[in-house]
Amino acid sequence: ILNVEQSPQSLHVQEGDSTNFTCSFPSSNFYALHWYRWETAKSPEALFVMTLNGDEKKKGRISATLNTKEGYSYLYIKGSQPEDSATYLCAFIPSGAGSYQLTFGKGTKLSVIP
Amino acid sequence: KAGVTQTPRYLIKTRGQQVTLSCSPISGHRSVSWYQQTPGQGLQFLFEYFSETQRNKGNFPGRFSGRQFSNSRSEMNVSTLELGDSALYLCASSLVPSSTDTQYFGPGTRLTVL
Repeated sequence: ILNVEQSPQSLHVQEGDSTNFTCSFPSSNFYALHWYRWETAKSPEALFVMTLNGDEKKKGRISATLNTKEGYSYLYIKGSQPEDSATYLCAFIPSGAGSYQLTFGKGTKLSVIP
Repeated sequence: KAGVTQTPRYLIKTRGQQVTLSCSPISGHRSVSWYQQTPGQGLQFLFEYFSETQRNKGNFPGRFSGRQFSNSRSEMNVSTLELGDSALYLCASSLVPSSTDTQYFGPGTRLTVL
């Protein structure tokens, strides 16, 4: 059973604050890591697909880094805005086995206070 | 381009009944995956279909089944419903099965079993 852990479970920040959270995954058989943002009553929205150790991706004020050797990825949000309030999910895909199923963490719920 | 659609959006059933949920992928997408989210749990993988074939199945009992049609639309069926089947069921589509292609999610079907 693959273990994908996200921390913290929830986070409250003031508008304008920068924040970051962590996704931990098995380092031994990494293939890809996906990040999603899931706003209440909407569909999960893809943010990044990360595959290379040391990779850094950016989308507006949101960026992510990847360390496959130690098995973690960080998601950063610069200058949080109320519209950033959502649950941020990471999902891991191991190498081998020919399966492309996403194994999700339980998410980090971010609330941005105006 | 229209996104992934799921019908119905909400469903209420009683224990022992069966239910069928439908997913229409983004036009041109041939891979469909299904996920279940229950309170306190992350998204858990149910099935993956490509070209009308089930490629993988998650750790769910045989009461959970699915299929994919030639137009890539997919259905999942749950027979002999139990209270614990109450959940949000999400489907996701991608062009082909791939670890690095983005999976696009639908809005989900909220199933309540009474």
